[in-house]
Amino acid sequence: NAGVTQTPKFQVLKTGQSMTLQCAQDMNHEYMSWYRQDPGMGLRLIHYSVGAGITDQGEVPNGYNVSRSTTEDFPLRLLSAAPSQTSVYFCASSLQRGAKNIQYFGAGTRLSVL
Amino acid sequence: AQKVTQAQTEISVVEKEDVTLDCVYETRDTTYYLFWYKQPPSGELVFLIRRNSFDEQNEISGRYSWNFQKSTSSFNFTITASQVVDSAVYFCALSPSYYNNNDMRFGAGTRLTVKP
Repeated sequence: NAGVTQTPKFQVLKTGQSMTLQCAQDMNHEYMSWYRQDPGMGLRLIHYSVGAGITDQGEVPNGYNVSRSTTEDFPLRLLSAAPSQTSVYFCASSLQRGAKNIQYFGAGTRLSVL
Repeated sequence: AQKVTQAQTEISVVEKEDVTLDCVYETRDTTYYLFWYKQPPSGELVFLIRRNSFDEQNEISGRYSWNFQKSTSSFNFTITASQVVDSAVYFCALSPSYYNNNDMRFGAGTRLTVKP
């Protein structure tokens, strides 16, 4: 059981480039989310999805797009990378929305924007 | 507004010492959930415990124990007889709504180093 898988693990971009961070889960979870982790700060929610075809914004959505065409996959797109987007990105999933459901996290993607 | 404070940025102990990681939270909700996650060097976040605001009983799981005190808005985590494998970053988190994950707030984390 792979759980939540994120690719790539590391990425370096130049300012203005675009890229997609991949996230896949094999637990048939309805709820998926993206967080970013910055030094000295906790994880902050970027976008989330409560099911295929349904997405919404979190606390820090600017500069990011998401889509959810399947239950398994929830990619995060950086449209035009900026140095402020240098961070570690975590994808998480849970059976359903809500605190009663434990979120399972991927291993993270470390992104540097030069 | 919801807020989680982990004042200890880094802690270093020698193996077999007991160590307590502090977590203080702020919320105006009467119903909320508190969590602890562990982030080992491999990077993923591992769920440790969830506690709801109506249950103030302390929780013990092996060498781990949690002390939840609403009066001081704290949810502290103690590792007894620490081991090298306990070295990790530990996050405390608050979810103010039973049905809403998107308001979850994380603390900045405490990096624990256990030396042999």
